[in-house]
Formats: sequence, structure tokens, C-alpha cells
Amino acid sequence: SQKIEQNSEALNIQEGKTATLTCNYTNYSPAYLQWYRQDPGRGPVFLLLIRENEKEKRKERLKVTFDTTLKQSLFHITASQPADSATYLCALEEGGKLIFGQGTELSVKP
Amino acid sequence: GAVVSQHPSRVICKSGTSVKIECRSLDFQATTMFWYRQFPKQSLMLMATSNEGSKATYEQGVEKDKFLINHASLTLSTLTVTSAHPEDSSFYICSAYSGGLFTDTQYFGPGTRLTVL
Repeated sequence: SQKIEQNSEALNIQEGKTATLTCNYTNYSPAYLQWYRQDPGRGPVFLLLIRENEKEKRKERLKVTFDTTLKQSLFHITASQPADSATYLCALEEGGKLIFGQGTELSVKP
Repeated sequence: GAVVSQHPSRVICKSGTSVKIECRSLDFQATTMFWYRQFPKQSLMLMATSNEGSKATYEQGVEKDKFLINHASLTLSTLTVTSAHPEDSSFYICSAYSGGLFTDTQYFGPGTRLTVL
């Protein structure tokens, strides 16, 4: 089954900079990949979905890329704000179920 | 749209008791609901998949007699942790999937923090 790897170390950046988070997977390319935001003690909130035939998807300050050759997705937050501080999870579809990475904690300092 | 609620948000119980957690889709009908468990600093682990009107499908290593799931309607699924023990203490999260309307996207509840003393 799939193994998903996200940066386990927290990412600390300055307000206004672009945050880039990485999600790597090991096996076959999934039909789609999703990114979620999770705040402490809360359930994940859906952000973006990108399909295997899409290279890039944007939503406001968010951008996701999907490289099936590298088996990697990158998640970018441009013009980051302290309110963007949270844990970001990537999830892959496998057999109709979602497999989650362990998440990367992002901290945006003012 | 696509709001999922859970109740209770927090529960503390004594070892050996049973706890029921409700998951509701408030503004759509969920053909499928999923139950996850998340330990601190770890990923969400799928416990079971629940389809309305049928028996839940449990993931490997999850005891179906300990974690009872009922999906009696298209808007409600319940998870009952029977004879809870301290090692069952965790954050339990449900998600709902409607199939056609919000295709391929699961919408998550706010989670239930279970503490077993």
C-alpha cells in the first residue's frame, strides 16, 4: 500500500513569504491527491484537490502541483499570514479511501 | 454547505464503560461516512467505512466488536467504543462523503476527544 511522506519538521517562515510544503508518495500515482488544513484539536478542513491529469491547481493564495514522474505534490501559500499557521495534511486516494500523511506544521511569524 | 457535526466534542469516562459518538451531515445526505482515529502528532488512521443501511467495513487491526458503528440514516452515523480502556484515549474524527454532489471530497467533523481514566 501507499506510503506518504511529508516534512516532519515544522516549517517556520516570515509573514509575507511563500510557504512550500512537500508530499511524496511511494507507489502508483493516485487518481487524485488532496490537501487539508488542521488546527489543534479540530478536524481537517478540505483545501484543494488535484487530479492525476492536472499539473497545477490554484485557489486564491494557494497553489498545488502534482508531478506523477517525481511522485510528488507541492503545496504553496503565497503572501503568508500568521493566520495560515496550522498543520497541513496531504491525502491520497487508494481504493476509494483516503490515506493521510502525518502532516507538516507551518508557523508564520509576524 | 457540506457541514459535518460531531457530538460530543469531548468526553471523559471511566475504564470499562461505553461511549457513543455521533456524526451528522447537516446539509447533505452522506452515502458513506468514515471514522478515523488520530493520536498526538500522528496522522489520521482510518478505522472503518460505513455505508447507510449496511454493515461497516473495518480496517485491518480494528476490532469490530469493540468499535461498533451504526449508519442508520443518510445523515447520521454513530461510533460506540465499548468497554473503553485508557489506550482507547484518542481524537476520533468522522467524515462524510456524498458521492455525486461533492465528488471525491470528504468533509470532516470537528472531532471528539475521548479520555479514558
